[in-house]
Amino acid sequence: EAQVTQNPRYLITVTGKKLTVTCSQNMNHEYMSWYRQDPGLGLRQIYYSMNVEVTDKGDVPEGYKVSRKEKRNFPLILESPSPNQTSLYFCASSFASGTLSYEQYFGPGTRLTVT
Amino acid sequence: AQSVTQLDSHVSVSEGTPVLLRCNYSSSYSPSLFWYVQHPNKGLQLLLKYTSAATLVKGINGFEAEFKKSETSFHLTKPSAHMSDAAEYFCVVIDGGATNKLIFGTGTLLAVQP
Repeated sequence: EAQVTQNPRYLITVTGKKLTVTCSQNMNHEYMSWYRQDPGLGLRQIYYSMNVEVTDKGDVPEGYKVSRKEKRNFPLILESPSPNQTSLYFCASSFASGTLSYEQYFGPGTRLTVT
Repeated sequence: AQSVTQLDSHVSVSEGTPVLLRCNYSSSYSPSLFWYVQHPNKGLQLLLKYTSAATLVKGINGFEAEFKKSETSFHLTKPSAHMSDAAEYFCVVIDGGATNKLIFGTGTLLAVQP
């Protein structure tokens, strides 16, 4: 089954304790992206990757890191989480397009709480 | 810059009545527009997309949307609401260039009353 998986689905942690949220897709997509969802703000892009070893900042990259060593995986790293990073996080993937608009497939989400 | 505005944060309808969720867009060129749905505690699912082909776009579960350039609108409609349609709906525009970034509206929460 074609899908995007994220782990963990739920995470409660404390300020400053490094964490990684994994994202994996099995559709051979070049493009992957991370979004965070906050009430009243919709989803905002954190980082994206057009292909292996190619990553770039989205709209809200502060406090996050990513890596793209393999095509299928795109982990989101919080080196020193803070309470303002409490949010619902989504990973998405699609074929790279340039000018065409391929559908982006979303993972199930990771609900992160930082205390 | 691309943007979308969802005009209603909450919409409540009775089961069996029509659904109208409003979305206006701002774009300096012909946009690619999407509607996504998010059911409680679920991920996002694509309902339909407009990519400059037919202006009336049909999606899944009986939803459709009409692209109106003169009104810069992309409203989502369904003739008859079902209880399972209760969810949050996002109007989305794709950013220009090669970033593939999706720009989300703030969402419309649809409630369906029995």
